[in-house]
Amino acid sequence: DVKVTQSSRYLVKRTGEKVFLECVQDMDHENMFWYRQDPGLGLRLIYFSYDVKMKEKGDIPEGYSVSREKKERFSLILESASTNQTSMYLCASSPSTGESPLHFGNGTRLTVT
Amino acid sequence: RKEVEQDPGPFNVPEGATVAFNCTYSNSASQSFFWYRQDCRKEPKLLMSVYSSGNEDGRFTAQLNRASQYISLLIRDSKLSDSATYLCVVPTGGRRALTFGSGTRLQVQP
Repeated sequence: DVKVTQSSRYLVKRTGEKVFLECVQDMDHENMFWYRQDPGLGLRLIYFSYDVKMKEKGDIPEGYSVSREKKERFSLILESASTNQTSMYLCASSPSTGESPLHFGNGTRLTVT
Repeated sequence: RKEVEQDPGPFNVPEGATVAFNCTYSNSASQSFFWYRQDCRKEPKLLMSVYSSGNEDGRFTAQLNRASQYISLLIRDSKLSDSATYLCVVPTGGRRALTFGSGTRLQVQP
């Protein structure tokens, strides 16, 4: 069974803080993704990575950056957290692009006050 | 037209009912499709994959209509535990992987 682990289930941060969300997968998947999910807006892709040190912007990359130094780990960074980044953040991985389903971590609920 | 569109619901059905959701998509090159289930405040989990005309798994049947560009999910003999949001997922093409619909909420009532 694929396991995608997100480092924190709940986080509370202050406006302006730098925030790191970590994600690790144990199935040697090439692709990793960061989404955020908000009521009424569904899942929105922030960034994704298809190889170590490779990254591509998703639909809403503003205010975020990512890091993929190792194949199994994909980090999402909020450079200066703002209240509109309060959301559920979901990490996912897949073995190839396009036609394979994603496997999700159990999410990090981030509150920025 | 949005890449993936779903009726948000909610669909309120009694136990034992049959319920069907539709999902329309705009990328006609898509070869495979997925239905995910998401419980409240949990992550989405893969329910079914649809690679050809359809797929059946117990009480769940997914069908694909390429000509009209929609996929459907049929749930027979609904259980209380089927209450969840069902997400339709379509390959976007290229490296962007998958596009998620906004989900259809199902509430099965006793």
